[in-house]
Amino acid sequence: QVQLVESGGGLVKPGGSLRLSCAASGFTFSDYYMSWIRQAPGKGLEWVSYISSSGSLIYYTDSVKGRFTISRDNAKNSLYLQMNSLRAEDTAVYYCARCKSRAYNFDYWGQGTLVTVSS
Amino acid sequence: QSVLTQPPSVSAAPGQRVTISCSGSSSNIGNNYVSWYQQLPGTAPKLLIYDNNERPSGIPDRFSGSKSGTSATLGITGLQTGDEADYYCGTWDSSLSGVVFGGGTKLTVL
Repeated sequence: QVQLVESGGGLVKPGGSLRLSCAASGFTFSDYYMSWIRQAPGKGLEWVSYISSSGSLIYYTDSVKGRFTISRDNAKNSLYLQMNSLRAEDTAVYYCARCKSRAYNFDYWGQGTLVTVSS
Repeated sequence: QSVLTQPPSVSAAPGQRVTISCSGSSSNIGNNYVSWYQQLPGTAPKLLIYDNNERPSGIPDRFSGSKSGTSATLGITGLQTGDEADYYCGTWDSSLSGVVFGGGTKLTVL
């Protein structure tokens, strides 16, 4: 069965960095676009970034451009999100999600990893 | 302020039918497919509807989706207490070059 397991979240000071990982199993990872989506405490969903199956096509939401970098390693069935210059408003649960038929619908989600940016 | 507009809350009695609206513009809903997600308390979102009206395998036909112009609607019939959740619409926004979600609608089954 499809499984997505995020890791790497935690408490970090403003201006700090964190690298999230998402381990995928149960499907051919290299065939699918993947995304990161976040949810601030008590708030709605916010899409962060997506990466094409080969890694050649990448998009970011404006608020993270220049600070976050999405990447993937198809040999390791893994998705990553490098987050630099973190701000308090980046505090959220970060989900990795598999894109279904299009880059903007998500058929499987991980359980999420909490990132807290606070001094 | 979300790009897609949903009512903050809806409610209905068990067994009844409820609809949740999602309003956008020509740059998003008007020219792209819409998805709907259900988020039960404390869990990750789950895909309910994709490509406006398609259900993934395992999603009961009590859930349906439709789109007209720049608006989309999620319908749920035969409401159950287990349907109490937050529901989100989502699509691509061609002007923003990104995925956009509605602010979410909390469904209460009275």
